[in-house]
Amino acid sequence: RKEVEQDPGPFNVPEGATVAFNCTYSNSASQSFFWYRQDCRKEPKLLMSVYSSGNEDGRFTAQLNRASQYISLLIRDSKLSDSATYLCVVNDQAGTALIFGKGTTLSVSS
Amino acid sequence: GAGVSQTPSNKVTEKGKYVELRCDPISGHTALYWYRQSLGQGPEFLIYFQGTGAADDSGLPNDRFFAVRPEGSVSTLKIQRTERGDSAVYLCASSLTVGTGELFFGEGSRLTVL
Repeated sequence: RKEVEQDPGPFNVPEGATVAFNCTYSNSASQSFFWYRQDCRKEPKLLMSVYSSGNEDGRFTAQLNRASQYISLLIRDSKLSDSATYLCVVNDQAGTALIFGKGTTLSVSS
Repeated sequence: GAGVSQTPSNKVTEKGKYVELRCDPISGHTALYWYRQSLGQGPEFLIYFQGTGAADDSGLPNDRFFAVRPEGSVSTLKIQRTERGDSAVYLCASSLTVGTGELFFGEGSRLTVL
């Protein structure tokens, strides 16, 4: 089931750049949305939840557009340490198991 | 340790063999999830448990895959008659309760079927 779609990238940006990732989801009944980060050969970790009103955590801003079923993640002033795969995550129809997108790979270079 | 523990970290087996992968969740976490991840893909949901019961096993690809959590803590994912296409990293995650967005993942068990 292709419930969560992301552009796989890779996105190659210099340090200090602003980069945005987008994600679309198919189930209009989805209630919860998240961005996870996964470093190479490591396990995924929660980066931030995505709220209807949009939310910010330092250099990271997440937005949700329910009408378009679209989620975004904006990273400002990119750091080398931001290099990772960013996974868009949505709860499924039962509101329980989380469904992950394929991820978008970001590479920040000096 | 305080995190999710998975064993073995690596397993190489031959086609047709039986494999068991174990997950020890964070103490007190009632929800436990199994995902598998192939190269270049996101984690693919397999099954989750709330306590001892499998609340949703809709992601299990076929009847060769089975998982248990008999005492509501440790879980075992069992794969019978392994096939080359089963090769992947099997990730276990736990959360305090079902429905919370923060899943705590283990480092995974990398399965290679020759």
